[in-house]
Amino acid sequence: QVQLQESGPGLVKPSETLSLTCSVSGGSVTNYFWGWIRQPPGKGLQWISYMFYGGTTEYNPSLKSRVTMSIDTSKNQFSLNLSSVTAADTALYFCARESRDSFDVWGQGTMVTVSS
Amino acid sequence: ELVLTQSPATLSLSPGESATLSCRASQSVSSYVAWYQQKPGQAPRLLIYDAYNRATGIPGRFSGSGFGTDFTLTISSLEPEDFAVYYCQHRDNWTFGQGTRVEVK
Repeated sequence: QVQLQESGPGLVKPSETLSLTCSVSGGSVTNYFWGWIRQPPGKGLQWISYMFYGGTTEYNPSLKSRVTMSIDTSKNQFSLNLSSVTAADTALYFCARESRDSFDVWGQGTMVTVSS
Repeated sequence: ELVLTQSPATLSLSPGESATLSCRASQSVSSYVAWYQQKPGQAPRLLIYDAYNRATGIPGRFSGSGFGTDFTLTISSLEPEDFAVYYCQHRDNWTFGQGTRVEVK
């Protein structure tokens, strides 16, 4: 059974780059599509990015200029970089597995606060 | 740009009652709508994919229907653990609706 675990700093300074990693256990990162979704405090879900090992990558148009997603097959994990962060990027960040046009496995989420 | 509008924003019901949640798409999306349940402090859980298919381990009291622009999630008899926020989602830019909160009346 696939399990996902997010990791990364809980506090990032404004204008810096937010970097998160999702470790995949119980399955190979090469076998599925993967995504990042975030949720600002008290608000709804916002999709950030989506990727398949081998090159297919999609980004939310509203974040595209600041987002990079990558996969590291040697570590069986995938990562998110979000540059030039502001307070508006403060959110609970989830990694997830895509299957049949939905996200069927989710990490528990990691809270990231942007503040000086 | 696809927009998913969920209604109502809040549904106040008692355990044992039936819940009907709506998700309307701003353009036709065929049947590729998913539904999620989220409880406080937890990750969303996939309930329904492709409009009407229950995800693995989801109880039979959850059912989905709809096609085109109008989709419905029905919970046939609310259990105490069903009080939560529900989101619909579509593959087009992985758009999510704004959510419907099902609360205890």
